[in-house]
Amino acid sequence: DTAVSQTPKYLVTQMGNDKSIKCEQNLGHDTMYWYKQDSKKFLKIMFSYNNKELIINETVPNRFSPKSPDKAHLNLHINSLELGDSAVYFCASSQDPGGTEAFFGQGTRLTVV
Amino acid sequence: GIQVEQSPPDLILQEGANSTLRCNFSDSVNNLQWFHQNPWGQLINLFYIPSGTKQNGRLSATTVATERYSLLYISSSQTTDSGVYFCAIEGSTLGRLYFGRGTQLTVWP
Repeated sequence: DTAVSQTPKYLVTQMGNDKSIKCEQNLGHDTMYWYKQDSKKFLKIMFSYNNKELIINETVPNRFSPKSPDKAHLNLHINSLELGDSAVYFCASSQDPGGTEAFFGQGTRLTVV
Repeated sequence: GIQVEQSPPDLILQEGANSTLRCNFSDSVNNLQWFHQNPWGQLINLFYIPSGTKQNGRLSATTVATERYSLLYISSSQTTDSGVYFCAIEGSTLGRLYFGRGTQLTVWP
């Protein structure tokens, strides 16, 4: 009964392809996030949704489009993948958009070749 | 954004040793979390500690928000403690966790 689960865990794809990463949380939280961890292990927020509404959109190329069909799901779609998109993408959730503990999924390692 | 500095960047210990990891930050804190990223890449929650002191087994943490730092103590370290320890801060801009660069801990048997 994983609290925040992402699929797939590994994704290898060619440049120019479009891919999606799915995330689901069963914690009953209202807020979900996408974070990116680069090759130097630095973690940075990309997006945040609260009750299915986008509340944070960092400086991310518009090839990245998050979608939240309901409070428990936040998917990340990436168009026209580039080599520089290779990273580990983490989904996370918290009860509220501020001041509450965040829980992370196991990560999706994306490799663009 | 908030500046989050962790020290030391690398730490090598023998099993059984104690250690202290430090996190300095540049803004008032609404949320402060310590995470352990294990060798399989999972981010494991250690502490949610915007202020005060907490203990969980061999680990404890203290945050002094007025002085803008937090400490993570690991006692009697084990090889399974190896990995990267991250401090993450949410400041006055809600909803964003700013991560430090981490402390890479290696524990040898």
